[in-house]
Amino acid sequence: QKEVEQNSGPLSVPEGAIASLNCTYSDRGSQSFFWYRQYSGKSPELIMSIYSNGDKEDGRFTAQLNKASQYVSLLIRDSQPSDSATYLCAVNTPRTGFQKLVFGTGTRLLVSP
Amino acid sequence: DVKVTQSSRYLVKRTGEKVFLECVQDMDHENMFWYRQDPGLGLRLIYFSYDVKMKEKGDIPEGYSVSREKKERFSLILESASTNQTSMYLCASSLYTEGGLGEKLFFGSGTQLSVL
Repeated sequence: QKEVEQNSGPLSVPEGAIASLNCTYSDRGSQSFFWYRQYSGKSPELIMSIYSNGDKEDGRFTAQLNKASQYVSLLIRDSQPSDSATYLCAVNTPRTGFQKLVFGTGTRLLVSP
Repeated sequence: DVKVTQSSRYLVKRTGEKVFLECVQDMDHENMFWYRQDPGLGLRLIYFSYDVKMKEKGDIPEGYSVSREKKERFSLILESASTNQTSMYLCASSLYTEGGLGEKLFFGSGTQLSVL
């Protein structure tokens, strides 16, 4: 089982719709959860972080965390073509000595005008 | 503005060559990381460093070594490049946070390495 799993997509949504991106993780000890956005040919950039169960909103983005189900999601409201990118879920997983950030393989989002 | 600079955007090397990938950050971050990114495999951690002259192996350290002589610079070394090391290499840095390493990562623009 992969430590962090994402559907590779592509997830296609029309402009203005809600895009829902999902991620599951295997280590129950994980405490910090992140969403990075990566445009084609560019490096990842952090867009959301969440640490406790529930929802966290930032503009058009909402991160949702359910530790009991080991599930974290990202909702993008009013999707725009400029949101078309690969979204990487990352989980800070405790290891002996140091915590380690583990990335999923990413979900490719396509927003059509 | 925060900056992580990787010395080369594209690099072509021959099998068996020794390859140096350089990364410099100007944010006074304690932690620095080297990842490689491959289609279908995502970002995989090669090595990281939490202080000058300190290093720790990540998930895939075989065939690589690192050097951190100064806080701002973290180098990745391919001792004898092989074709399976053809990949996108990403350097990142982060501030130290109590109890963790990988809070907000700042990535460099990446080096696409091709080993022929």
